[in-house]
Amino acid sequence: DAGVTQSPTHLIKTRGQQVTLRCSPKSGHDTVSWYQQALGQGPQFIFQYYEEEERQRGNFPDRFSGHQFPNYSSELNVNALLLGDSALYLCASSYWDRVSEQYFGPGTRLTVT
Amino acid sequence: EDQVTQSPEALRLQEGESSSLNCSYTVSGLRGLFWYRQDPGKGPEFLFTLYSAGEEKEKERLKATLTKKESFLHITAPKPEDSATYLCAVRPRDTGFQKLVFGTGTRLLVSP
Repeated sequence: DAGVTQSPTHLIKTRGQQVTLRCSPKSGHDTVSWYQQALGQGPQFIFQYYEEEERQRGNFPDRFSGHQFPNYSSELNVNALLLGDSALYLCASSYWDRVSEQYFGPGTRLTVT
Repeated sequence: EDQVTQSPEALRLQEGESSSLNCSYTVSGLRGLFWYRQDPGKGPEFLFTLYSAGEEKEKERLKATLTKKESFLHITAPKPEDSATYLCAVRPRDTGFQKLVFGTGTRLLVSP
């Protein structure tokens, strides 16, 4: 049973560019949440998707947007990249209607220069 | 505001030297407390979920406990492979089922 997968593993972008990160949830899970983890910090909640809609959002600007596909996979898009967007981006999957644990992917390391 | 504080920030142990990590939290209402292990450059790995005060969970050398204000992760006779950052997270009651609020973690180093 495949766990949560993310691509790419690493990415280097320049300020002002746009980036798209991808996530496939654990088999059977229908909800995807995205987190940003700066070096030495805990993960910060960006938003979550269920039934192809954004259901909840953390304190992140509109430059951060996402999408969920009918097969439950998800994308995170970040526009007009800033140096401060450099971080490990984590995707977590879970069941929408259960207070259950979230399973995390390996993350995408984004470096903005 | 929902908040999670972990202590100590870093902990260095000798192999076999037992200790505890602390996670104190302030939330509007608790819908679960979670412990994760994270190795450098990797995603967090789920360890335990605790739902109510008095609950305990065990896995190998790790034991997690929960009170109304804090949780402890006890590590008994640790080995070098237990070296990692241990993250605590809470799911506040009024934020739906899915949002987790994390602490900054405790970096554990176990020396042989």
